[in-house]
Amino acid sequence: LAKTTQPISMDSYEGQEVNITCSHNNIATNDYITWYQQFPSQGPRFIIQGYKTKVTNEVASLFIPADRKSSTLSLPRVSLSDTAVYYCLVGAYSNYQLIWGAGTKLIIKP
Amino acid sequence: DARVTQTPRHKVTEMGQEVTMRCQPILGHNTVFWYRQTMMQGLELLAYFRNRAPLDDSGMPKDRFSAEMPDATLATLKIQPSEPRDSAVYFCASAPGEGNFYNEQFFGPGTRLTVL
Repeated sequence: LAKTTQPISMDSYEGQEVNITCSHNNIATNDYITWYQQFPSQGPRFIIQGYKTKVTNEVASLFIPADRKSSTLSLPRVSLSDTAVYYCLVGAYSNYQLIWGAGTKLIIKP
Repeated sequence: DARVTQTPRHKVTEMGQEVTMRCQPILGHNTVFWYRQTMMQGLELLAYFRNRAPLDDSGMPKDRFSAEMPDATLATLKIQPSEPRDSAVYFCASAPGEGNFYNEQFFGPGTRLTVL
């Protein structure tokens, strides 16, 4: 069963690139890696998803090495509004396993 | 703008009372999830349904919790009897897709439950 580990908190400054890494040593063949963002008093919101290598969308990039035992969410040029908790999710609905990380609280400073 | 809705948004009750939380998934989404979030435990998956059938509820305390989908537009989570340790924010999420099992989950705003 995959277990995910991510840093509890991170600080950065506006305009910087932020990388948050999630460790998932026991990831299974069917598992995808998904990242969510959560603001206070709201439900999590999907950011990006990938299976291997690199995925990029309009808000983030996701880097997954060949062994897939970790993944890195990259947020380019962060702003104050990126202050939130970021969750790594590993799993596949097909085998009913969804493993959420504990979340990384990201604080962006002016 | 399609959204998952949850009612009530806030609930304060006394220990021993029954609590029912409701969720309306996005129209056309056939997978529905129930989560519980606390500061100590983080986000916990309680149960989920596909096409109204329960697929997994291993994360849910069976003695007091029950989850159902009476129809495709309504999911319910009941706690009977409630206990102070059930105090948390309960989220419902829905996702589309039959063949693709990895689809994005759309979360509702949550129900904040306080059991005194």
